[in-house]
Amino acid sequence: QVQLVESGGGVVQPGRSLRLSCSTSGFTFRSHAMHWVRQAPGTGLEWVACISYDAAYEHYADSVRGRFTISRDFSKNTLYLQMDSVRPEDTAIYYCARDFYDGINSGPDYWGQGTLVTVSS
Amino acid sequence: DVVMTQSPLSLPVTLGQPASISCRSSQSLVHSDGSTYLSWFHQRPGQSPRRLIYRVSNRDSGVPDRFSGSGSGTDFTLKISRVEAEDVGVYYCMQATHWPPWTFGQGTKVEIK
Repeated sequence: QVQLVESGGGVVQPGRSLRLSCSTSGFTFRSHAMHWVRQAPGTGLEWVACISYDAAYEHYADSVRGRFTISRDFSKNTLYLQMDSVRPEDTAIYYCARDFYDGINSGPDYWGQGTLVTVSS
Repeated sequence: DVVMTQSPLSLPVTLGQPASISCRSSQSLVHSDGSTYLSWFHQRPGQSPRRLIYRVSNRDSGVPDRFSGSGSGTDFTLKISRVEAEDVGVYYCMQATHWPPWTFGQGTKVEIK
């Protein structure tokens, strides 16, 4: 079965960096684009970033572009999110999600359990 | 960016009764390939989202048939024919026709009366 397990969350000071990881199994990692989606406390879902199946393309939300970097390691079947220059408004649960290719990149289908990032001094 | 607007934002329901959630997009979600990439997700308290419906009306594996999706263009609906206790939580629509970004509705909280 498809499994996505995030790690790396925690408390980080404003302006510092943090790297999230998402270990995957149960599907062919190199065949799917991957997403990061976040959810601030008590709020809805916000798409953050996407990387193509072959890592040739990356897309970012305006709110994180230039500060966050999505990447993937095919040898480890692992997705990453490098978070630099973090801000208090980046506080959220960060979900890793597999993309469903349905003729186009149709967005997340399977989601991990999430990892909490708290930006606070 | 495509703005997704759900209504209502809160929906008290009676067990065994039907429920309906509306989702409207700021522009048509018909893709140039002719398909409409609109999905629905359910998030139970303390859990991660689970996809229920993709491409407007296709149920994911294991999703009970009391859930159905319909709509076209800019107007879409998720219906629950008979609400069960396990259906509580927040429901989100999401468009994947015009990306990036992939955009979600604000969410509709379903609770039992």
